[in-house]
Amino acid sequence: TQLLEQSPQFLSIQEGENLTVYCNSSSVFSSLQWYRQEPGEGPVLLVTVVTGGEVKKLKRLTFQFGDARKDSSLHITAAQTGDTGLYLCAGVITGRRALTFGSGTRLQVQP
Amino acid sequence: DAGVIQSPRHEVTEMGQEVTLRCKPISGHNSLFWYRQTMMRGLELLIYFNNNVPIDDSGMPEDRFSAKMPNASFSTLKIQPSEPRDSAVYFCASNPGLAANEQFFGPGTRLTVL
Repeated sequence: TQLLEQSPQFLSIQEGENLTVYCNSSSVFSSLQWYRQEPGEGPVLLVTVVTGGEVKKLKRLTFQFGDARKDSSLHITAAQTGDTGLYLCAGVITGRRALTFGSGTRLQVQP
Repeated sequence: DAGVIQSPRHEVTEMGQEVTLRCKPISGHNSLFWYRQTMMRGLELLIYFNNNVPIDDSGMPEDRFSAKMPNASFSTLKIQPSEPRDSAVYFCASNPGLAANEQFFGPGTRLTVL
């Protein structure tokens, strides 16, 4: 059982479309991170959210941390082919010291 | 500056053979992590070290897996004997502070056990 569930698992869209990826858990996180992983490479950090309700923007990407700090979302506006990759959320669950990674959302943006 | 360095990038071996994966963390980083990634199970933490000391090895699947960090600039993950189900991409990551902070990943080692 994944402690951090991401949805959808797979997403294939056309360039220019908008999309939202979700990261959910029954646990409370002190902070939550989003990473993107491209084929043949390791994950790279996109953003860290810390405060419940926090919204952060990174160009066309908008990240939101749930008020109860149990969930998060990533919204991409006007997707580009360069957004293709595996998106992973990660957080530290109470009682653990290291990050737990979500199941991942594999995004394919078609030209 | 060099990022996390892993070797080899690809390893193909036969069942029963010993496999050793190597990692050089970013200089100055005092935490090091070993992960395994598969399609079925995603990215799983195997073990992490802080200041060369293993802190949490609860993710190590079984006794066939062992990890060492003899100094601040080198770590190994060994599988002996290897089995086909060990086939995965193994990542090493490091960070300069708390385990909960941003992790800097290496390019991974793709292991195939035949």
